[in-house]
Amino acid sequence: EPEVTQTPSHQVTQMGQEVILRCVPISNHLYFYWYRQILGQKVEFLVSFYNNEISEKSEIFDDQFSVERPDGSNFTLKIRSTKLEDSAMYFCASSEGKAGGTDTQYFGPGTRLTVL
Amino acid sequence: SQQGEEDPQALSIQEGENATMNCSYKTSINNLQWYRQNSGRGLVHLILIRSNEREKHSGRLRVTLDTSKKSSSLLITASRAADTASYFCATDAGGQAGTALIFGKGTTLSVSS
Repeated sequence: EPEVTQTPSHQVTQMGQEVILRCVPISNHLYFYWYRQILGQKVEFLVSFYNNEISEKSEIFDDQFSVERPDGSNFTLKIRSTKLEDSAMYFCASSEGKAGGTDTQYFGPGTRLTVL
Repeated sequence: SQQGEEDPQALSIQEGENATMNCSYKTSINNLQWYRQNSGRGLVHLILIRSNEREKHSGRLRVTLDTSKKSSSLLITASRAADTASYFCATDAGGQAGTALIFGKGTTLSVSS
């Protein structure tokens, strides 16, 4: 069964450094998403992406964040200058883009980002 | 606004028993989805129920939706130790693909053998 994959599984970085989290969505899916989950808290939406553009973004997704689909398979989340509070599990998801309220988002296993 | 608030926060049962988790939300929705998360792992999609549906089944899972009460329940029948996980409801208010899912805090289910 097709799956969303994410690399790396764990990333440790120093505060102020740039990180790039990578995702390979399910191949026939058209919509891509990033969510994050700070330890012990809710899963929070960051951004959705369709047709090489941001479709929707949350207040969390500020200028420090950017997303890109650099080729036909990868989808990346870049954090320009990491802060301690960026430490979280970051989930990538993708969906087919079905209409009628049946569009299911499938999540990857996550990248645990630790900012020191 | 808060969406998808589950209760109870934690539930401990014995294998073979049924587990019921509830979710309440505040604004109108297009659909509601339930996900499972094993400790420190990714989110696994369990079931999606549309706003015009009242009940849905998938294997040992039964989901109900009451839009008048803005609530949903997830019933797991004949639970197994492998069902031990956190369960989240997520609402989609946008009505089209690409809309953000709004997650609740989840119910942590512990099934002991």
